[in-house]
Amino acid sequence: KNQVEQSPQSLIILEGKNCTLQCNYTVSPFSNLRWYKQDTGRGPVSLTIMTFSENTKSNGRYTATLDADTKQSSLHITASQLSDSASYICVVSADWSSTLGRLYFGRGTQLTVWP
Amino acid sequence: EPEVTQTPSHQVTQMGQEVILRCVPISNHLYFYWYRQILGQKVEFLVSFYNNEISEKSEIFDDQFSVERPDGSNFTLKIRSTKLEDSAMYFCASSDGGSSTDTQYFGPGTRLTVL
Repeated sequence: KNQVEQSPQSLIILEGKNCTLQCNYTVSPFSNLRWYKQDTGRGPVSLTIMTFSENTKSNGRYTATLDADTKQSSLHITASQLSDSASYICVVSADWSSTLGRLYFGRGTQLTVWP
Repeated sequence: EPEVTQTPSHQVTQMGQEVILRCVPISNHLYFYWYRQILGQKVEFLVSFYNNEISEKSEIFDDQFSVERPDGSNFTLKIRSTKLEDSAMYFCASSDGGSSTDTQYFGPGTRLTVL
């Protein structure tokens, strides 16, 4: 069964600190993995996308890693800001020609940054 | 920056009533999607739509659901006879390509409450 699991469920850090969020998936055959940021009451916004051959991808203070062998990914946030408070969702696409853009979502990690 | 818009932002309806959720995708996009997120749960894929027909639908998308692109700009999701368990946030998304690596851009969502 295609599933995406994330940890921790929630995380509280102080402004300026770094943090790492984890994602494990069983989606197969694998096409790509995205990290999305979802602010409360808003739709998810894409942060990074990685395909099978990519190990790391950065977008400003966000750095995502991918280990396709162990089917694990992480999202590292450096020098956190109050505006980073949001849900971070790991999303995986399967490589099926009939799967037109279907995405599998994790539950998300709720990050709270305190001043 | 172009964005996906959705109306209404919040819809309250009585069980058994029909509702239509509306979305205006990004103007040059050709692929459209609906997702839902029950409170506290994962975002779930409902349906993908391309070239005026459904490309794929999930197990959730039963005969009570239908989608339509009535004109060149709107994309709608209709629920014919709402049930209590249909209460959720419904997200519309669009992409300019149909491959699994094409980024889907999400709207802000419509919160549907069925009483």
